[in-house]
Amino acid sequence: AQTVTQSQPEMSVQEAETVTLSCTYDTSESDYYLFWYKQPPSRQMILVIRQEAYKQQNATENRFSVNFQKAAKSFSLKISDSQLGDAAMYFCAYRSANQAGTALIFGKGTTLSVSS
Amino acid sequence: ETGVTQTPRHLVMGMTNKKSLKCEQHLGHNAMYWYKQSAKKPLELMFVYSLEERVENNSVPSRFSPECPNSSHLFLHLHTLQPEDSALYLCASSQETGGSYEQYFGPGTRLTVT
Repeated sequence: AQTVTQSQPEMSVQEAETVTLSCTYDTSESDYYLFWYKQPPSRQMILVIRQEAYKQQNATENRFSVNFQKAAKSFSLKISDSQLGDAAMYFCAYRSANQAGTALIFGKGTTLSVSS
Repeated sequence: ETGVTQTPRHLVMGMTNKKSLKCEQHLGHNAMYWYKQSAKKPLELMFVYSLEERVENNSVPSRFSPECPNSSHLFLHLHTLQPEDSALYLCASSQETGGSYEQYFGPGTRLTVT
């Protein structure tokens, strides 16, 4: 079974600084997708970024980028130029590509606080 | 707005009540999901309907009963719940054929069982 581990329960960053959130996963599959979701206090789960395992190029989305290391099974999220609105719980998630309707497997989350 | 709506947003029910949660997606997706989010636990899949088939997590108690009348609507029927069922219930949808497999979530229903 696949597992996702986020080893940092809490992180903090100053406005305009850069922060990296860690995620590791365990799988025997070769084809899968990885995601980062953001859940602010409103509890709305928002997709931040996705990565296909077959792509070597790291995904980027504006101030958000990932460092995907397939051999190491590592998928970290870097937030550049942090803003107060980035404060939220961040979840790393794994999804198999082998079957339709496969559930996301989530880590326990990292709470990010942003100070001015 | 993610294109997935859930009602009600908050629900308080007694252990002997029967209630239903509703989810609707406006994205043209062909798969829908129920997740449970409890304090200090990862999100857990409860049910998924994909390509007209229901996939069930066998660990879900029978007091939770899903219904998917069409690809846009998903219900979760609740009866004789326990206090430990209090949680945030999240609905999600995705496109499973020729799509990006990204799941889009609704705002959730905060359920409190008294």
